[in-house]
Amino acid sequence: QVHLVQSGAEVKKPGASVRVSCKPSGYTFINRHLHWVRQAPGQRLEWMGWLNAGNGDTKYSHNFRGRVTITRDTSASTAYMELRSLTSEDTAVYYCARLSGYSHDFWGQGTLVTVSS
Amino acid sequence: QSALTQPASVSGSPGQSITISCTGTYSDVGGYNYVSWYQQHPGKAPKLMIYDVNKRPSGVSNRFSASKSGNTASLTISGLQAADEADYYCSSYTSSSTWVFGGGTRLTVL
Repeated sequence: QVHLVQSGAEVKKPGASVRVSCKPSGYTFINRHLHWVRQAPGQRLEWMGWLNAGNGDTKYSHNFRGRVTITRDTSASTAYMELRSLTSEDTAVYYCARLSGYSHDFWGQGTLVTVSS
Repeated sequence: QSALTQPASVSGSPGQSITISCTGTYSDVGGYNYVSWYQQHPGKAPKLMIYDVNKRPSGVSNRFSASKSGNTASLTISGLQAADEADYYCSSYTSSSTWVFGGGTRLTVL
């Protein structure tokens, strides 16, 4: 069965960067795209970007103004999402999700990132 | 990319049916048959309930159905059960090769 396991909660100061990892299992890592979605407390889901795990191609939401980078380590079958220049508005749960067709069929457990001085 | 428009809340009694709408533009909902619906219980990750406008993944109850007309997609839940109480989000592929989610709808089972 498919599982996506994410790294643990993070606490960061404003202006810092955070990197969250996502390690899928139960399928061949390079055969699927992985997406990142975040959810601020009590707020909606917000799409951040996607990664073609096979060739490393990426696409990002304009809402993040170049602050986000998604990468992968194929030898570790792991994807990473880095978000820079953090502010309190970046406090959220960050999810990775596998793309199947044009929908997200499996999701990670979520990683809480708290930005606080 | 603006969020797709959903009602903030809907409610219904056990056994009844409810419908949640999701309105976008011709650049997303109206332009592609790639609308998905997700159920999210508090503190949990979203769960895929509908994909490609009206298809159910294996294991999802046939009480969940969906459709699309123009720029608006709809999710219908029939035979409401207490376990259906959750937040529901629509999502669509867009003409920019990105994805967009709706604002979410809180379903209350009375």
